[in-house]
Amino acid sequence: DQQVKQNSPSLSVQEGRISILNCDYTNSMFDYFLWYKKYPAEGPTFLISISSIKDKNEDGRFTVFLNKSAKHLSLHIVPSQPGDSAVYFCAAKVNYGQNFVFGPGTRLSVLP
Amino acid sequence: ETGVTQSPTHLIKTRGQQVTLRCSSQSGHNTVSWYQQALGQGPQFIFQYYREEENGRGNFPPRFSGLQFPNYSSELNVNALELDDSALYLCASSALGTAQYFGPGTRLTVL
Repeated sequence: DQQVKQNSPSLSVQEGRISILNCDYTNSMFDYFLWYKKYPAEGPTFLISISSIKDKNEDGRFTVFLNKSAKHLSLHIVPSQPGDSAVYFCAAKVNYGQNFVFGPGTRLSVLP
Repeated sequence: ETGVTQSPTHLIKTRGQQVTLRCSSQSGHNTVSWYQQALGQGPQFIFQYYREEENGRGNFPPRFSGLQFPNYSSELNVNALELDDSALYLCASSALGTAQYFGPGTRLTVL
């Protein structure tokens, strides 16, 4: 049973446009969410996080939106750059828990 | 500030052998978590160590064990290796409850 889902295995976007990566979760106890980016042969790199008490968090070109009623979060990258091409993982955690549950990832390709 | 480092980078073992993977946590972090990432999947939580004690475990059998040392570095040990243990093993360090910072991983191949 996959608690964190990323239903799009891949996404292609033109340079300068907006990239929107989506993530759905099933566990209503999750209250802390993160996005990671992973390049080949490297470990995941932390991008941005959001707590369940917020519905938006912004950091430069990256914005994460959380819709708790829909159990859905999304990552917006504006403007997209070729260096953003990577696999993006959504992860979630319960407040009292120790581990993050990761989705399967979405491969983003930003085309010049 | 030194990031998370892992050794070795790659490892090839045969079925039934034992393996030890090592991780040095980022400066200031007292928590280390280990994950297994199979091809095409997201990382799967193995266990976490906080101040040298196991602080949570995922759905992995007892042949996966670990240690954390006083300097917060950590080891992952896997006994009786099986073919399905072939994966990228990721170590992540953090202050307890905060975002985790990952090392580059160890690629284990079991033949």
